[in-house]
Order: sequence, then C-alpha cells, then structure tokens
Amino acid sequence: DAKTTQPTSMDCAEGRAANLPCNHSTISGNEYVYWYRQIHSQGPQYIIHGLKNNETNEMASLIITEDRKSSTLILPHATLRDTAVYYCIVRVAHNQGGKLIFGQGTELSVKP
Amino acid sequence: GAVVSQHPSRVICKSGTSVKIECRSLDFQATTMFWYRQFPKQSLMLMATSNEGSKATYEQGVEKDKFLINHASLTLSTLTVTSAHPEDSSFYICSASQGATAKNIQYFGAGTRLSVL
Repeated sequence: DAKTTQPTSMDCAEGRAANLPCNHSTISGNEYVYWYRQIHSQGPQYIIHGLKNNETNEMASLIITEDRKSSTLILPHATLRDTAVYYCIVRVAHNQGGKLIFGQGTELSVKP
Repeated sequence: GAVVSQHPSRVICKSGTSVKIECRSLDFQATTMFWYRQFPKQSLMLMATSNEGSKATYEQGVEKDKFLINHASLTLSTLTVTSAHPEDSSFYICSASQGATAKNIQYFGAGTRLSVL
C-alpha cells in the first residue's frame, strides 16, 4: 500500500489560505488521493479526492503534482472552524475493498 | 454529502457485558461498511470490512469473536463488543460506501464513545 507523509502540525491565520502538503512517492497508477479531516471527538469528514488532475469543490482545492508523488490541499480562506486533523490517504486498489488506511495526519490550528 | 448515522453516541457499561453499536446509511445503499477504532491522541485504526450478506473481513490482530459484525441489510451494519473490558474503552467509528472501489467515497458516522467500567 502506498504510504503518505504529512507534517505533524501547522498553524494558519484566520482568513488566510491554508496549504497542507502530502508526500505519496510510492503511489500506484490506479490509486486515488483522498483528503479527510477530523474535528475533535467527531467522525472524519470527507473533503476531496483526485487521481491526477487538480480538483476543486466548495470546501477546498486539491493540487496533485504531475508525477503524482505529492499533493497539496488548499483551504482558500481558513476559519477557526477549520481547526482539525487533516488526513491525506492513498486509496488502496479496488481488489482490496477500497479500504482507507489512516496515518497520523496534520493537526491544523487556525488562529485569530 | 451522504449521511451515515451511528448510534449510540456514547455508552457506559460494566465489565463483562456486551454492547451493540449501529451504523446506518440514511440516504444511500451501502454495499460496504467499515469499522474503525480510535484511542486518545491516536489515528483511526481499521478493524474490519463489512459486506452486505457476507461475513466480515477482519484486519490482522482484531479478534472476530470479540467484535461481532453483522451487515444484514444495505443500510445497516452492527458491531457488538462482546464481554467488554476496560481495555475495550475507545472511540468506535463506522463508515459506509456505495461500492468497494477506489472511486467510491466513504462517509463516516459521528462515532460512539465506549467506556467500560
């Protein structure tokens, strides 16, 4: 399974863009990059996912490098409610049931 | 996004008793559901994959007789912690997916905090 590496923690000022990096240098061609976040004592919340093209939705943007070895999640205007642990996950191939294997994630603190 | 409901949100029980946790997909049919466990200040650990109408697939090190999983319908999976002990105290979280491929988004419940006295 492809593993991911994320910084342990990051700070961001309220209203500024939060850029969360993720390294997945061993990703396979058919594996997607997923981002989830977990606010304290809640279940994880789906944010966005992509295969090789950049993606954008109402929550965030996902930038995947051309070689697919890394990606960046961008929260364009971070608010205090975006304080959470953000998980970058490479989704295992379909024949393994599409499991999500969580790493340690990045603890993002948005400060006033 | 899709809604996954988990019940109860919190349960306190005595050592030796069994506890059942329900996971429901409210607005879609979930062919696959997953059960996770999370200890304080740690990440989520996958316990098992539950497929509707078949036996669950457990991750290495997870006791299938201890954690009974039933996925009797396309909208409901249950996890029963049998003969619970204090070391089973944890945050249990389920997720549901419309399919088992990498394209299918998993949606998570709010979690169940189990405290065994």
